[in-house]
Amino acid sequence: GAVVSQHPSRVICKSGTSVKIECRSLDFQATTMFWYRQFPKKSLMLMATSNEGSKATYEQGVEKDKFLINHASLTLSTLTVTSAHPEDSSFYICSARDRGRSGNTIYFGEGSWLTVV
Amino acid sequence: ELKVEQNPLFLSMQEGKNYTIYCNYSTTSDRLYWYRQDPGKSLESLFVLLSNGAVKQEGRLMASLDTKARLSTLHITAAVHDLSATYFCAVAISAGGTSYGKLTFGQGTILTVHP
Repeated sequence: GAVVSQHPSRVICKSGTSVKIECRSLDFQATTMFWYRQFPKKSLMLMATSNEGSKATYEQGVEKDKFLINHASLTLSTLTVTSAHPEDSSFYICSARDRGRSGNTIYFGEGSWLTVV
Repeated sequence: ELKVEQNPLFLSMQEGKNYTIYCNYSTTSDRLYWYRQDPGKSLESLFVLLSNGAVKQEGRLMASLDTKARLSTLHITAAVHDLSATYFCAVAISAGGTSYGKLTFGQGTILTVHP
């Protein structure tokens, strides 16, 4: 079964509203999680590194005020897309590394499809 | 800046044939990952390659890593329709600690296996 879970899997929101996506590590603690974005038929682009208990680290070109990341516990990171616009429509995927079980395996969540109308 | 390049980007194969997908990367790294993605789905982990000369096999897929050449290959043997998917290689930045979870992906190879 999934070891990293995302919710919701699909969400439709109106332009100008905000939407929150959750990423949970189910049976391990993840001090660091990662958020990626994927456009149709394209590769994954890293958006930010989510750090438990501290600020996220954003990749160049990613607006930190638009994509708010909170990592309040060792098993949960959230990505909030604020004031969403149609161009924010995308597939968002989180990942985490289980250092305990197998430090080399990186698990990905099921992904969240965001459609902004 | 780490760059990861795959080729080919599109691969149309007949069932039963063999082929190889190549993954080149631009800077030193000793962790390379291969993933499979089905349409509309997230990533499924296929292989983790950790050292020079590493070779791993699962079913009809075999992956290898040459860190000196900064090259990994994913070899498909006797392809079947079920292998149709997009395949990504990804490289972890060798900065140690938490950075090993941070991946740079290749463009992806869209594989179609037809009768």
